Order: sequence, then structure tokens, then C-alpha cells
Amino acid sequence: KNEVEQSPQNLTAQEGEFITINCSYSVGISALHWLQQHPGGGIVSLFMLSSGKKKHGRLIATINIQEKHSSLHITASHPRDSAVYICAVRSGRGVESSGSRLTFGEGTQLTVNP
Amino acid sequence: EAGVTQFPSHSVIEKGQTVTLRCDPISGHDNLYWYRRVMGKEIKFLLHFVKESKQDESGMPNNRFLAERTGGTYSTLKVQPAELEDSGVYFCASSQGGQGYWEKLFFGSGTQLSVL
Repeated sequence: KNEVEQSPQNLTAQEGEFITINCSYSVGISALHWLQQHPGGGIVSLFMLSSGKKKHGRLIATINIQEKHSSLHITASHPRDSAVYICAVRSGRGVESSGSRLTFGEGTQLTVNP
Repeated sequence: EAGVTQFPSHSVIEKGQTVTLRCDPISGHDNLYWYRRVMGKEIKFLLHFVKESKQDESGMPNNRFLAERTGGTYSTLKVQPAELEDSGVYFCASSQGGQGYWEKLFFGSGTQLSVL
């Protein structure tokens, strides 16, 4: 069992729908990343958070440290949001964890149809 | 500012051949990471450089993989001899360092390696 589990693995939505992707992890973490990978493209960091909630445009990321769970929400989804969304956690604490490696979930393939 | 660049973007080789992947991190970034995604699996850590030193190479699958970062700038990852199971996408990422867990990672576009 992977230390980072994402759901769903695949998600198809109609343009305009509200989308939620979930991430659960089983280890102690210092930070959680949400990443986006477009087909044939590199990986882009969307959010990095350790508590609470962050918002950027139509994207919202939340994390509940006690429940070891994070969600990525997309409001008013658009076909250009179609990509693989990846949750990754950084273990360790404090300064020494700056070099800690990331543990990744398998990713969620999102397809938004017009 | 140039991002993390990887070369080549694609490589197709035969089993038993040697391939060298290159990663140029963002200038001034001390931390450099190699990751790999094989088909149908999650991205996994390979190793981590801090400047020219290997900080953590516990993710390297076996001794057919050799990573270097001479001078603390670009890094190479050599696979010799390549096996079928080495096929996948190899990602490089860099970060500035010294900012604790809050530092931001920048990823390259990856190298798609196909071993036939």
C-alpha cells in the first residue's frame, strides 16, 4: 500500500462542474504539494501547504493534518484544466527537511469535456 | 529566468545499451532531485544532490544507475546497461535550499526513456 493514496484515479467532468480530488497519506509530513502535469508537459507545482487552505484563481487546496487528508478543488472547471493532478508529501520537520524527498500519489487523470 | 531543463526529451534505446540523461537546474539552486515514473506507477524518488554531494541515493534501483553532479551545476544520470524495466519518464527537480520544508520545487519536463 502506497503511503500516499489519491482518489479518484480517473475523473471525467463537464465544463463548469465543481471538481474535487482527494489525497490521504499515512506518514507524518511537514508539507504537502499539489502538482499538475499536462500531456507531454512537465510538472508544475500548484500548491504547497502544511495547514488550512490556499486559493489560487479557481483552484483551492485544503489540508487536515489530524485526519491526514487533503483535497484539491477546481471551481467552474474548463477543458484546459484537463491534466494529471498529483499529490506529494514531504516528510520530516523543520530546516532539516528542506532536503527531504517527496513521496507521490499515483495521480488523478482529469478530463473536462466542453 | 530559465526553468529546469532536461535533455533529451525522448530516448529510445535497445536493451544493453547505455543512455545518459542530463538535467540543468535553475541557476543557484543547491538541491537537485531525480525522480522516475514507470508505466502505471507513482513517481518515485531516485536521489538527491546538495550541490555536488549525494545527500540521499537510497532510491537508486541498482548499480546500473550512476548519477553525477560535477561542480554542483548540471547533473547526469547514466543507465548502463539499460534493461526493459528501466523504461519510464525520468524527472529532475531543483530547489534553492536553506528554506526548510517550505521551499518550492521546480520540475523539468522529463525524459521519456524507452528500452526495447
